[in-house]
Amino acid sequence: NAGVTQTPKFQVLKTGQSMTLQCAQDMNHEYMSWYRQDPGMGLRLIHYSVGAGITDQGEVPNGYNVSRSTTEDFPLRLLSAAPSQTSVYFCASSYSDPTGDLGNTIYFGEGSWLTVV
Amino acid sequence: AQSVTQLDSHVSVSEGTPVLLRCNYSSSYSPSLFWYVQHPNKGLQLLLKYTSAATLVKGINGFEAEFKKSETSFHLTKPSAHMSDAAEYFCVGFTGGGNKLTFGTGTQLKVEL
Repeated sequence: NAGVTQTPKFQVLKTGQSMTLQCAQDMNHEYMSWYRQDPGMGLRLIHYSVGAGITDQGEVPNGYNVSRSTTEDFPLRLLSAAPSQTSVYFCASSYSDPTGDLGNTIYFGEGSWLTVV
Repeated sequence: AQSVTQLDSHVSVSEGTPVLLRCNYSSSYSPSLFWYVQHPNKGLQLLLKYTSAATLVKGINGFEAEFKKSETSFHLTKPSAHMSDAAEYFCVGFTGGGNKLTFGTGTQLKVEL
């Protein structure tokens, strides 16, 4: 298993450009999510998905779009990049334990470092 | 709604001395709580997790945390710090219905000789 794969690892964008951060998992996890990490703020949830075809907004969704056409993939799109979107982005996936034991383990990608100039 | 507060943004200890990283949580129901560690320019690594099975949770690399409901705390401890422990540590709350995580703002641990 490759786990959670994020690409690209590093990217520099100009203000106004668009791009897509890719996230793929091969563990058949239902849940996937995107977080951004900024100094002194921890990680904040951007968007999440509870299954193919279902997405919802997190804490900081503005400026980002997502889709979940397959279980494996959860791309994050920046339609018109802004300097405020300079950040480190993490994709995560997890499963739902049918026993109700909240011992779910969250699997993180290695992060994508994005700079908008 | 759930919130997680890390009480110290920076902690500095000497190698071989105990480590205490403090975390308080606020939740209207019994929480699931995690501690993650992030080394510079690296991803996130799970240290340990609390899921109501036991209040004292042992993790990797000698870390442990105790869930105290009366104090709404989940502090991370280690008896003896090592230079390799220098990193940023996040206390994280877990919310079902999407497996959403609520991160604290992080504690930067510095270990000095």
